[in-house]
Amino acid sequence: DVKVTQSSRYLVKRTGEKVFLECVQDMDHENMFWYRQDPGLGLRLIYFSYDVKMKEKGDIPEGYSVSREKKERFSLILESASTNQTSMYLCASSLLGATYNEQFFGPGTRLTVL
Amino acid sequence: EDKVVQSPLSLVVHEGDTVTLNCSYEVTNFRSLLWYKQEKKAPTFLFMLTSSGIEKKSGRLSSILDKKELFSILNITATQTGDSAVYLCAAKFGRFGNEKLTFGTGTRLTIIP
Repeated sequence: DVKVTQSSRYLVKRTGEKVFLECVQDMDHENMFWYRQDPGLGLRLIYFSYDVKMKEKGDIPEGYSVSREKKERFSLILESASTNQTSMYLCASSLLGATYNEQFFGPGTRLTVL
Repeated sequence: EDKVVQSPLSLVVHEGDTVTLNCSYEVTNFRSLLWYKQEKKAPTFLFMLTSSGIEKKSGRLSSILDKKELFSILNITATQTGDSAVYLCAAKFGRFGNEKLTFGTGTRLTIIP
């Protein structure tokens, strides 16, 4: 079974703090994704990566950056957390060229920024 | 702008009823349409549809895609309380190696015993 794990289930940070969200997958998937999920807005893509050290902006990249130093690990960084970044963050992975393969999701990190 | 629209936003039915959830999409370089079920945790995969008119079934759930009219439906027959969840529809699109998903906002389904 594909397993996607995220470093924290719940996280509380203060405005202005630097926040790291870690995601690890164990199925040698090339593609990795970061989404945020908010009520009424659904899942929105922040960044994705299709290879080590490669990254592409999604629909809402502002205020975020990412790092992919190893194939299995994809980190989301909030350089200076703000209250409007309070959300559920979901990581996902899939095979490259995955027309016929779904994305597998991690359990999510609920981040609260005070 | 790429978008996926789901309807209804929420639905409350009694156990045993049949429900139909709708998903329309408008994306460039469409590749496939996916359905996920989300309870109080990460979305879990239900179906991926790539061809028009071919129904996919899994137990009481089935889904079909219409690539001409750009929509998909998810049917659940003989609903049970365990079907209560948010159902997400997503369109996969983009060029090879750079594919991504755009999600709808979901349909919240509540099954009353």
